[in-house]
Amino acid sequence: AQKITQTQPGMFVQEKEAVTLDCTYDTSDPSYGLFWYKQPSSGEMIFLIYQGSYDQQNATEGRYSLNFQKARKSANLVISASQLGDSAMYFCAMRDPGNQFYFGTGTSLTVIP
Amino acid sequence: DVKVTQSSRYLVKRTGEKVFLECVQDMDHENMFWYRQDPGLGLRLIYFSYDVKMKEKGDIPEGYSVSREKKERFSLILESASTNQTSMYLCASSPLAGGRDTQYFGPGTRLTVL
Repeated sequence: AQKITQTQPGMFVQEKEAVTLDCTYDTSDPSYGLFWYKQPSSGEMIFLIYQGSYDQQNATEGRYSLNFQKARKSANLVISASQLGDSAMYFCAMRDPGNQFYFGTGTSLTVIP
Repeated sequence: DVKVTQSSRYLVKRTGEKVFLECVQDMDHENMFWYRQDPGLGLRLIYFSYDVKMKEKGDIPEGYSVSREKKERFSLILESASTNQTSMYLCASSPLAGGRDTQYFGPGTRLTVL
């Protein structure tokens, strides 16, 4: 069964605008971790942000924030003030208590000048 | 600086060949992973290892095997390569503890099987 769902195959955003990339997850474990990664055209996977299942506050890292809605099992990534260099594939992932990671199918973000 | 290296960025092999993809990490991580990435399918786990000589099947182990003789090295083996194994292969490692620790990825190997 799919554990991570990203419903947006592709997104466009105007430069300097904010954009939200959706992610929902499915687990019955109380303890888990949620991650977002960026993959530019070069292929490297870059870690962006982490949210623990017990964290009370939404995670933020610079222009990235994670909108964590636990009851809805949602972990959306918000990128503020988009830049041309933000154009990339973005993957949501969940780590289970056994340290296994599950990835979504990704969202391709294009920033328009 | 943490580092995961993969033996090749690009590889071209023929159907039926035995293929070895090597991954080395220098962070003393217990966990190591092999993923396959295909457009529209995201990353799919082939195998992972949580200790030397230990391995667990992931979602798509068929046609693949792995070897972990040393903590820092995790090898993916295609016993008899087929065209449907043409893909991007990503290796990753992570510490045992979990918590805020993410996976660290190698640069990937783009394998083409002719």
